[in-house]
Amino acid sequence: GAVVSQHPSRVICKSGTSVKIECRSLDFQATTMFWYRQFPKQSLMLMATSNEGSKATYEQGVEKDKFLINHASLTLSTLTVTSAHPEDSSFYICSAVAGGNTYEQYFGPGTRLTVT
Amino acid sequence: TQLLEQSPQFLSIQEGENLTVYCNSSSVFSSLQWYRQEPGEGPVLLVTVVTGGEVKKLKRLTFQFGDARKDSSLHITAAQPGDTGLYLCAGARYNNNDMRFGAGTRLTVKP
Repeated sequence: GAVVSQHPSRVICKSGTSVKIECRSLDFQATTMFWYRQFPKQSLMLMATSNEGSKATYEQGVEKDKFLINHASLTLSTLTVTSAHPEDSSFYICSAVAGGNTYEQYFGPGTRLTVT
Repeated sequence: TQLLEQSPQFLSIQEGENLTVYCNSSSVFSSLQWYRQEPGEGPVLLVTVVTGGEVKKLKRLTFQFGDARKDSSLHITAAQPGDTGLYLCAGARYNNNDMRFGAGTRLTVKP
C-alpha cells in the first residue's frame, strides 16, 4: 500500500524559533499533499493543500506567512512553522493523494510539536 | 458547525458487543472515507465508498453509504479490544481537494 513518512516524529523547540517538518511519499508520486493539525482528543483540521510546483492553498484562518509550505517535488512537501509560540504546539499530520486515484488520502504518522 | 456530524462522540462497550457509528451531513458527497486513528499516529484508511447505497464489508466491519450520498454508517460486529481507537469519517464534495473530516467517534472496547 501507499506509504507516507514524516520527519521528525517529535520536536521540541523554543519560542521564537522555526521548525521544519517533512512529508514524503515513499512508494508513489503525490501531486497533492495536505497538511492538518490535530489538538488533543479532537479531529483533524485542514490547514492547507499543497500542489507540486505551485503555491499552497490555505484554509481560512491559517496564516500563510507563519506556516510556510513548499511542495518542491512529487514526493516531498515541507511545512515550516516560523517564529513558533506555545499555542502552535500540536500534532501535525500530512497526507498525500496517490497518483491516478482521486479519492483516497494516505496519512503520515504525524509530528508532535512542543514549543516551550 | 461541522460539515459532517458523527455520532456518538464517545462509545465504551464490552468485548463481543456490536456497535454502529453514524456520519451525517446535509451535503452530497462524491466519495466518503472511514479512517481509524490510534493515539500518536496518523489515521489509517479503512474504506472508501463512492456509490449511493453501496455496502462494503471488511471482516467484522460493515460500511454503508446512503442512497442520497449524504450519510454513512460503520457497523462493527463482535467488537474486540483491538478495535479501540478514534474513528473518523471524511467526505469529498467535489474532488479530493475538498475533503472534510467529521469530529470523530472515540471507541473503547473493554476486555
